This record gives sequence, C-alpha cells and structure tokens, in this order.
Amino acid sequence: DTEVTQTPKHLVMGMTNKKSLKCEQHMGHRAMYWYKQKAKKPPELMFVYSYEKLSINESVPSRFSPECPNSSLLNLHLHALQPEDSALYLCASSQPRDRGTYNEQFFGPGTRLTVL
Amino acid sequence: QKEVEQNSGPLSVPEGAIASLNCTYSDRGSQSFFWYRQYSGKSPELIMFIYSNGDKEDGRFTAQLNKASQYVSLLIRDSQPSDSATYLCAVTPNDYKLSFGAGTTVTVRA
Repeated sequence: DTEVTQTPKHLVMGMTNKKSLKCEQHMGHRAMYWYKQKAKKPPELMFVYSYEKLSINESVPSRFSPECPNSSLLNLHLHALQPEDSALYLCASSQPRDRGTYNEQFFGPGTRLTVL
Repeated sequence: QKEVEQNSGPLSVPEGAIASLNCTYSDRGSQSFFWYRQYSGKSPELIMFIYSNGDKEDGRFTAQLNKASQYVSLLIRDSQPSDSATYLCAVTPNDYKLSFGAGTTVTVRA
C-alpha cells in the first residue's frame, strides 16, 4: 500500500473556528510532513515529524499546531486562521535516510482550505 | 540565489516529441534529486529520483544528474497529452527538507 490519505478533502472555516486536518499512512514510514501550497507556487514545508518527534518547524505561526499521535497519523490543528491561510495543505511521508533510503517523499491528495 | 531553479515555462511540445526540463541547484552537499508531476488541482506525484551522476531511465522518462555542474534534467520521450502538467524539481539539502523549484508547466499539443 503506497498511499497517504488526508481528510477532509475540502474545508471552509471562519476566522474564529477551530478545525483539524488529518493524515494517515500505512507504508511504515517514520517521517511525516505538512506542506502548504498556494496557487501556481511550489509546496512550502511547514513541519517535519521524525520518529513521532517534531524535528523541523519552519517558523510557522502558532495558529497552526501539529500533532503526531503515532507513527502512522499526523494532525494539523487550526485556530484563528486568516484569509491568507487559504491554500492546499499537503501531507507527505517518507522513510528517513538512516533507514537506507534517499528520503523519497510521497504526498497525500491534500486538503483544500478556504478561510472566510 | 534561489536554492533550486528550473527553466522558465511554459513549455509547449507536439505530441510524440521530446520534452526537456532543466534544473540547477545551489547546495553542493545535496544528495538526492527528485522530479514530481503535478496535475492542476492535484497533489505532487513522484515520478523519478536520482542520486548518482549519469542517467536513469524509467519508461518514457529519463533523469540526468551532473553533480559537478549542479544540474539535473528530465527528458520525456514520445510526449503524450496526458503528460501535460507542472513538473517540479526537488532537491534534498539535508536529511528531511525538500527544496522545490518553481515548476515548469508542460503542454503537449495533439
């Protein structure tokens, strides 16, 4: 199974709402990622979890809060977002290089987020 | 200087032709190099990766790497309309981070 799944596919939220994005992989990967992608731009890294520990936070505002409950699940909690946070949010997973790979990252289908 | 630069598009090629995509990177310590294909409204799909100098072929795709020139390319042979997409070059400068180029949009005209 070479699939990363994400829910929901689409999300519309107001600036005062709290919501969560979910990601799951069953490839046994031990690194998971959140990316943000705006239209006609490449993905921008937000967070990296390695062996369920947060290893990279790319100076993301605190209104985005990641969580890794176990090795196959990754959540992104959203609170008090701004309209400019509207984007495609992508989850990815990989096997870290200390497992003898080249860190090929596989992306989920994404959540299209609109903040009103 | 951007970490990863791709040849500016869009690139339009006739069906059956070769599409040639180029990418340069700035970090000499980069070890892994990837090409992702992204259809409009979809997520990036990994189509090729390469880590040693030379050519790597997979079906109609060939990736080429020249670490001395800090250059990686992707050739798409016998281009099909289904190859119309944005192609993202990505480089791993450290253990986890992927640095992406801006992408090149390819249109294959029938």
